[in-house]
Amino acid sequence: DTEVTQTPKHLVMGMTNKKSLKCEQHMGHRAMYWYKQKAKKPPELMFVYSYEKLSINESVPSRFSPECPNSSLLNLHLHALQPEDSALYLCASSHDKMNTEAFFGQGTRLTVV
Amino acid sequence: GNSVTQMEGPVTLSEEAFLTINCTYTATGYPSLFWYVQYPGEGLQLLLKATKADDKGSNKGFEATYRKETTSFHLEKGSVQVSDSAVYFCALRRGDSSASKIIFGSGTRLSIRP
Repeated sequence: DTEVTQTPKHLVMGMTNKKSLKCEQHMGHRAMYWYKQKAKKPPELMFVYSYEKLSINESVPSRFSPECPNSSLLNLHLHALQPEDSALYLCASSHDKMNTEAFFGQGTRLTVV
Repeated sequence: GNSVTQMEGPVTLSEEAFLTINCTYTATGYPSLFWYVQYPGEGLQLLLKATKADDKGSNKGFEATYRKETTSFHLEKGSVQVSDSAVYFCALRRGDSSASKIIFGSGTRLSIRP
């Protein structure tokens, strides 16, 4: 199993809503990532978890709140988002070895209205 | 700091043409290098990788060679197909921990005409 599964695939939310994005992998990877991708741009790193602990936060606004409940799951909690937060949100995971590749999910297409 | 520069797109080719997408990098030490492909409406898929100098990564007819002397990792394919139309990202990873960042180039959009 080399899959990273993200749910939902599409999400439309209002600026006052609270929603969560979910990511799951069963490859035994101990590093998990959230990326944000705007149209026609490369992915931008948001957060990195290593062994269920937050190790990198790329100065992301607090309206995005990550959570890693266990080694297979990664969540991104959303609250009071702005229309400019509309983007494709990608989850990825990798082995706990330096410089190895990351495996990406299909992404959640988020629209904030 | 570490960075990746890849050729501007879009690149438009006819089917069966030869493809080169240039990628150069700046990094300390010995990063791993990757090419990822993104089809419309999808996430990123690892296309190929190389972890040390002179390594050649290959997959689905695509190849790239890790050239430390020129800090390059150019993507090539001898005969492209319409199904190769996608956005291609060159990337590197270099870090002191297992949770180091993957740094992406800006992406090159490839369109193949039948």
